[in-house]
Amino acid sequence: DAKTTQPPSMDCAEGRAANLPCNHSTISGNEYVYWYRQIHSQGPQYIIHGLKNNETNEMASLIITEDRKSSTLILPHATLRDTAVYYCIVRVAYMAQTGANNLFFGTGTRLTVIP
Amino acid sequence: SAVISQKPSRDICQRGTSLTIQCQVDSQVTMMFWYRQQPGQSLTLIATANQGSEATYESGFVIDKFPISRPNLTFSTLTVSNMSPEDSSIYLCSVKLDRGLADYEQYFGPGTRLTVT
Repeated sequence: DAKTTQPPSMDCAEGRAANLPCNHSTISGNEYVYWYRQIHSQGPQYIIHGLKNNETNEMASLIITEDRKSSTLILPHATLRDTAVYYCIVRVAYMAQTGANNLFFGTGTRLTVIP
Repeated sequence: SAVISQKPSRDICQRGTSLTIQCQVDSQVTMMFWYRQQPGQSLTLIATANQGSEATYESGFVIDKFPISRPNLTFSTLTVSNMSPEDSSIYLCSVKLDRGLADYEQYFGPGTRLTVT
């Protein structure tokens, strides 16, 4: 799976959009970009994922550059409950029965939403 | 999406004892996984548990130490046997939902925080 690079920390004012960048310059054509977040001591929470088109769901939007070497997760109206560590992962997306199921979360970006 | 619950949420155990962690999913899923996460570390896959077959363990993990049951498509258990302080960790249950076209979503349970004294 391709390596990702994220800033270690970011602050965002409550109610404003939080834009979290991720670089994945070695991404392969069959690798998806996944975003998760983790609040201290809790299980990772799935946010969104995409291959090459921009994606939006009830939690966030995912903007992937045309060359797919970077992406941005957008939380449109950050709340205090969005304070967490956000992880960007790139991985192949196939339902392998065995293997290829490890997840390397890296260090992520610690987002702090400020009142 | 999938909603996953785990029991217990946390426990403190004495070395040499065993603990069984339960994982319940709100929908039927084929692929279920058990991970552990040391403080400040990434996830480590322990095993893949598919209903109707033996669990498949990753390198460094063995069935005698981490026996797994998968009696149906919504439930699984992981037992941590003969515990030592090195087993102190957060244990996470996870499932994959197939979205078709080689695409999936992966969800995690809230975790079980285990401390071995």
